[in-house]
Amino acid sequence: SYELTQPPSVSVSPGQTARITCSGDALPGKYAYWYHQKPGQAPVLLIYEDSKRPSGIPERFSGSSSGTTVTLTISGVQAEDEADYYCQSADSSGSYEVFGGGTKLTVL
Amino acid sequence: EVQLVESGGGLVKPGGSLRLSCAVSGFTLSDAWMSWVRQAPGKGLEWVGRIKNKSDGGTTDYAPPVKGRFTISRDDSTNTLYLQMISLETDDTGLYYCTTAIRWGQGTLVTVSS
Repeated sequence: SYELTQPPSVSVSPGQTARITCSGDALPGKYAYWYHQKPGQAPVLLIYEDSKRPSGIPERFSGSSSGTTVTLTISGVQAEDEADYYCQSADSSGSYEVFGGGTKLTVL
Repeated sequence: EVQLVESGGGLVKPGGSLRLSCAVSGFTLSDAWMSWVRQAPGKGLEWVGRIKNKSDGGTTDYAPPVKGRFTISRDDSTNTLYLQMISLETDDTGLYYCTTAIRWGQGTLVTVSS
């Protein structure tokens, strides 16, 4: 079945830029979504349709797409951004969705 | 205010059944694409399935591991989403969320164990 691949972990110092990638064969034709989840909390939608930001999400979160990889970029990382980050997209037929395995962002 | 409140979780034996509910308020359920997402203890998110809104046909789709065992439905008169689960397996254990993508409930815990 279809899979999305994320790095298990990313570490960055406060104020630096973090980039989290997500790879999948069907990504060129399907939108990607990004969430973060803090311990004990429900996920929060950060980016939808590859690069759009819901109301209330800080501008430091941005999304981009290139070929079979989508990227979440967090500019000026803050301590509060430490969380697990997940990408989500659909298989090539659009008949089901999958999440990536998740990336733990550590703010050093 | 938009709210999603899941209920119906609990302890069930392998092979058993359970029906989860998601009561929504602040929007009309039939206008939204609704999904169920689960999370095993200490693990990542797993998409379970979805039901499209009425204008898109109201059809359902499921992840391969649950197809044929889980059924998503909704009662538009009570603004409630359901997840009927049969032939439960230990791998179905986890926190089950209902979500519109933008909005998430707090989840209901399902434990499948003998």
